[in-house]
Amino acid sequence: EIVLTQSPATLSLSPGERATLSCRASQSVSNYLAWYQQKPGQAPRLLIYDASNRATGVPARFSGSGSGTDFTLTISSLEPEDFAVYYCQQRSNWPRTFGQGTKVEI
Amino acid sequence: QITLKESGPTLVKPTQTLTLTCSFSGFSLSTSGAGVGWIRQPPGKALEWFALLYWDDDKRYSPSLKNRLTVTKDTSKNQVVLTMTNMDPVDTATYYCAHFDDYGISEAAWFDPWGQGILVTVSS
Repeated sequence: EIVLTQSPATLSLSPGERATLSCRASQSVSNYLAWYQQKPGQAPRLLIYDASNRATGVPARFSGSGSGTDFTLTISSLEPEDFAVYYCQQRSNWPRTFGQGTKVEI
Repeated sequence: QITLKESGPTLVKPTQTLTLTCSFSGFSLSTSGAGVGWIRQPPGKALEWFALLYWDDDKRYSPSLKNRLTVTKDTSKNQVVLTMTNMDPVDTATYYCAHFDDYGISEAAWFDPWGQGILVTVSS
């Protein structure tokens, strides 16, 4: 099973600041990695797929990078609605796995 | 527009069998590439994928839950049914179903969109 380790667990920032979230895979997943955003009481929403592609309707302040085992989600300038939990997920191997999440808080 | 919604009991007793239904619209499970995944999330914890059903009836299960799971589809009703046997309090979680399509654009191969989720509590 591929383990995805996200860091940090919590990121305390202010609106307008830049957020950098990390996801590290226990073995290569090539570019088969996605990022999801989850707000309290809501289902997750796909943000980034194939490591670096923004999903439909996702603002340009969100960007993803990386390949192999090291991936980064960057939010260039935090908006109030961006404070949420972010999960990475791989679909390179079975079973599909998620990271444990990074909470971006004010 | 693709939508999904989970339905079923919100309270089950230990050792009972859980049956959840994912009702969807906007796609068909008779279309090559289409599929539905199941993901759960214990309160305050991370997401956990555990089952997936393809249009051709191929199924994939998490190794840790494989012996307790069955997923089936009713193409005419646009539904996927999940059964999980021998429920335990540690199975208390919000259960989500989500769409994917392996034959469409790259974006569609990922879980998107998701249903609203259903919180299932396992308690006597």
